[in-house]
Amino acid sequence: NAGVTQTPKFRILKIGQSMTLQCTQDMNHNYMYWYRQDPGMGLKLIYYSVGAGITDKGEVPNGYNVSRSTTEDFPLRLELAAPSQTSVYFCASSYWGEQFFGPGTRLTVL
Amino acid sequence: GQQLNQSPQSMFIQEGEDVSMNCTSSSIFNTWLWYKQDPGEGPVLLIALYKAGELTSNGRLTAQFGITRKDSFLNISASIPSDVGIYFCAGFPNQGAQKLVFGQGTRLTINP
Repeated sequence: NAGVTQTPKFRILKIGQSMTLQCTQDMNHNYMYWYRQDPGMGLKLIYYSVGAGITDKGEVPNGYNVSRSTTEDFPLRLELAAPSQTSVYFCASSYWGEQFFGPGTRLTVL
Repeated sequence: GQQLNQSPQSMFIQEGEDVSMNCTSSSIFNTWLWYKQDPGEGPVLLIALYKAGELTSNGRLTAQFGITRKDSFLNISASIPSDVGIYFCAGFPNQGAQKLVFGQGTRLTINP
């Protein structure tokens, strides 16, 4: 099992550009999550999903969108990138309880 | 919302020393998780605790779920260089669904 995979690993965006961060898990987990981690800080929940077709906002959803059309994939969309979205983004999945994290995407918005 | 207060924020120790860190909350949590994050990597689960009073070990790591359900601690015995990293506590609030609450992290530095 590859676990949770994320692409790309690194990305630099200009202000106002858009992009999609990809996340895929092969553990057949129902629950999937997107977090952001700012330098020296803990993780903040952006969006989460309890199953295909169901998503809900976390603590810091503004500026982001998600969709969950399959159990495996949970992409995160940035429509109009802003410098405040410079961060490391982690995707995670769980069956129940313990969450397993991907390696992260480091995003810089200039 | 619920918050987890993790302490200390950072630790500087000598190789071979024991380490202790803890996490507290003003409200009840029904699950405690401890994660380790290496530089440039995602958090990796170390120990999961599901019952008040539970004491669980994973090699040199030991963690306990506090009796009051408002705290947890993690101990590392005989530290080695690869223990360097950031340790996060996380928990599921008693009335929460599947949204984890994270502590701010403890950054561990080891002098050889």
